[in-house]
Amino acid sequence: AQSVTQPDIHITVSEGASLELRCNYSYGATPYLFWYVQSPGQGLQLLLKYFSGDTLVQGIKGFEAEFKRSQSSFNLRKPSVHWSDAAEYFCAVVVRGSGYALNFGKGTSLLVTP
Amino acid sequence: GAGVSQSPRYKVAKRGQDVALRCDPISGHVSLFWYQQALGQGPEFLTYFQNEAQLDKSGLPSDRFFAERPEGSVSTLKIQRTQQEDSAVYLCASSPRGEQPQHFGDGTRLSIL
Repeated sequence: AQSVTQPDIHITVSEGASLELRCNYSYGATPYLFWYVQSPGQGLQLLLKYFSGDTLVQGIKGFEAEFKRSQSSFNLRKPSVHWSDAAEYFCAVVVRGSGYALNFGKGTSLLVTP
Repeated sequence: GAGVSQSPRYKVAKRGQDVALRCDPISGHVSLFWYQQALGQGPEFLTYFQNEAQLDKSGLPSDRFFAERPEGSVSTLKIQRTQQEDSAVYLCASSPRGEQPQHFGDGTRLSIL
């Protein structure tokens, strides 16, 4: 079945530590790939996207993501986490040629400790 | 406005009542999307408009759900005869055109008692 998987429901990191959030997808062809962040009571903010080209994508707030075709993954990384990064993170895909609806993973909740 | 605006932010209704949720997209954005986000879950697609045309409504869970965008700008999501399982956050998003990244509003939190 086609799906987006975020294996980690919750992640806790110390402020200043590095972060990696995992995302795997299961689709026949490489979809368009996105990471969104959601703070409590807020909508979703786009962090970065991958359509084609360079597989290492830079986003806002110091985030980056790497597309690995062989692993069907699009993991999100940040070298040094700030307390304000605590939020819910969603990986999402758009299946090429099948409309424009975003298909989301279930999300990873990030907690940042002092 | 600068972003996608949704109203009301919160809506409480009794089971069986009809509700209407409004979305004002970013000016000039052709594409408009509605999503439903249950507690602790990722958003799920409901429906998609290109201008005033509803091109995809495959995600609407039942015929109680109806969406419109009559003039190609503001959109309304209507839920008739609400049920408890309709309780969720309803998110609206718009984009310049279909394949471009979507910009989300803050959502309407709907609670059905």
